[in-house]
Amino acid sequence: AQSVAQPEDQVNVAEGNPLTVKCTYSVSGNPYLFWYVQYPNRGLQFLLKYITGDNLVKGSYGFEAEFNKSQTSFHLKKPSALVSDSALYFCAVRDRRAAGNKLTFGGGTRVLVKP
Amino acid sequence: DADVTQTPRNRITKTGKRIMLECSQTKGHDRMYWYRQDPGLGLRLIYYSFDVKDINKGEISDGYSVSRQAQAKFSLSLESAIPNQTALYFCATSDRTGNTGELFFGEGSRLTVL
Repeated sequence: AQSVAQPEDQVNVAEGNPLTVKCTYSVSGNPYLFWYVQYPNRGLQFLLKYITGDNLVKGSYGFEAEFNKSQTSFHLKKPSALVSDSALYFCAVRDRRAAGNKLTFGGGTRVLVKP
Repeated sequence: DADVTQTPRNRITKTGKRIMLECSQTKGHDRMYWYRQDPGLGLRLIYYSFDVKDINKGEISDGYSVSRQAQAKFSLSLESAIPNQTALYFCATSDRTGNTGELFFGEGSRLTVL
């Protein structure tokens, strides 16, 4: 079984400050890890993924995430947040050994960036 | 035009009614999925299909059925809608090649069951 936890329902940050959205996961094997963003009244958009290799993954819109195997975490970060980054963020995991592309999503973290 | 299109975008219905949500895609992907989104629960997989002849249940398939009419079309049906099926429903697709799991989502269908 695979699961994802996003411990914060909401993160508030001032524009220009660093943004971190936390994610921890549980899989029986090695994971593929993803971050998606959902803007109001829109579907989810892919931000970045960890497959293998460098633990620091860079994605769209200046976001990056760091895979930490020992802590089973994949936190999303942005050095300087923008008001336009306000959205709902989802972490997702897939066990590499699992058939197909079935992702398990976390409950989501709402990010509010204040001017 | 969107690569993954869902219709209707919004629907209000009554308990016991049959509802169909439709999804079509122009990405040429083999794999299609239906998820529902509830506040605080993230997205949960209802059904998925890896090709026209392949249909699989997800984690919350009870009360739902699907039909894969063609590679590009995947519809979700609620045979007798109930209020706890009120949710935002998303269709998604993925490519068979690469097999790393990136999904491409439609913009969602908001269903309210009264």
